[in-house]
Amino acid sequence: SQTIHQWPATLVQPVGSPLSLECTVEGTSNPNLYWYRQAAGRGLQLLFYSVGIGQISSEVPQNLSASRPQDRQFILSSKKLLLSDSGFYLCAWSTAGETQYFGPGTRLLVL
Amino acid sequence: SQQGEEDPQALSIQEGENATMNCSYKTSINNLQWYRQNSGRGLVHLILIRSNEREKHSGRLRVTLDTSKKSSSLLITASRAADTASYFCATAFNDYKLSFGAGTTVTVRA
Repeated sequence: SQTIHQWPATLVQPVGSPLSLECTVEGTSNPNLYWYRQAAGRGLQLLFYSVGIGQISSEVPQNLSASRPQDRQFILSSKKLLLSDSGFYLCAWSTAGETQYFGPGTRLLVL
Repeated sequence: SQQGEEDPQALSIQEGENATMNCSYKTSINNLQWYRQNSGRGLVHLILIRSNEREKHSGRLRVTLDTSKKSSSLLITASRAADTASYFCATAFNDYKLSFGAGTTVTVRA
């Protein structure tokens, strides 16, 4: 069966520090991968998606970047965090056009 | 931008009652999906309804889709305390992306 992992679960970082959030998927090949951000009490904002290794599409211009160094690994990064980067970050995978399966999320607090 | 919009934003019901929430969207879709999110957790897929389907059931869940009105509804029958969560609709209009609404927060009182 397929599983999706995200780490860390919680992160507190100072403004201006770098960020690296990791997402890995097991049990499937060549998945579509997604990074979302959810502000408190709000819906999901799609940040990046990837349909293959090295292929990244950015949905929202911002302080963040994404990379997919391996088929089932998706990384969200920032060189310098802003206060507005605080939120709940969710990774998800899918096969084309169908259900998305979400990881447990990373709660990021930038102080 | 978010295409799906849920209504109401919040819903409080007694255990055993039915809960109905609605989703409206703006453009043509391939399918529409409903997800549940418990507080502080990831989203869990509930049901997918394709654009050529009108109604779908899964356990105590019933989803309808009216493409002429660009709307969908999710009905939870005989609600339980464990149904307390936020519910999101998501529309798929291509093979890659979903557009999520802001969600309906459901509280089931014992």
